[in-house]
Amino acid sequence: QVQLQQWGAGLLKPSETLSLTCAVYGGSFSGYYWSWIRQPPGKGLEWIGEINHSGSTNYNPSLKSRVTTSVDTSKNQFSLNLSSVTAADTAVYYCAVVPVVTDAFDIWGQGTMVTVSS
Amino acid sequence: DIQMTQSPSSLSASVGDRVTITCRASQSISSYLNWYQQKPGKAPKLLIYASSSLQSGVPSRFSGSGSGTDFTLTISSLQPEDFATYYCQQSYSTPHTFGQGTKLEIK
Repeated sequence: QVQLQQWGAGLLKPSETLSLTCAVYGGSFSGYYWSWIRQPPGKGLEWIGEINHSGSTNYNPSLKSRVTTSVDTSKNQFSLNLSSVTAADTAVYYCAVVPVVTDAFDIWGQGTMVTVSS
Repeated sequence: DIQMTQSPSSLSASVGDRVTITCRASQSISSYLNWYQQKPGKAPKLLIYASSSLQSGVPSRFSGSGSGTDFTLTISSLQPEDFATYYCQQSYSTPHTFGQGTKLEIK
């Protein structure tokens, strides 16, 4: 059973870069899309982007200019960078896996609260 | 982007009630529609994928239906642990988009 564990800095200043990493345990790293999703406090879910094991990516156009994702297959990890953050980027950030069989966000990380404040 | 609209935004119901939540897509998404349950402070949990397929381990009182633009999530007999917020999500195209959520509260 695949499990995800994520980590990264929880407090940033405006204009800094948000960096999060998600590690995959207990399953194959290939054959999936690995996604990032965020949720501002008290609000709904927003898909940020996805990457597969070979590095193919898709991003939300609303964030595309600031988002970079990467994979490290040797460590079974994938990462998110979001540059030039503002207070509007304050949210809980989740990593999630999309298996081909469900084509849905099947397994989620525990979430990381990221606060942007001067 | 495909817009997903859920109704109602909130709903009060009692244990044992039958509840239906609706999700409408701004264009046809075939059956590429998923449903999630989220409890406070927790990550969302996948309930239904591909409109009507029950995720492993999810109780059979949850069911989904629909295709094209109109979809429903039905809980046949509410249990105390079902009070949560529910989201629909389309996986037809990127950007993957979610509905705004339906908060199910105890009456």
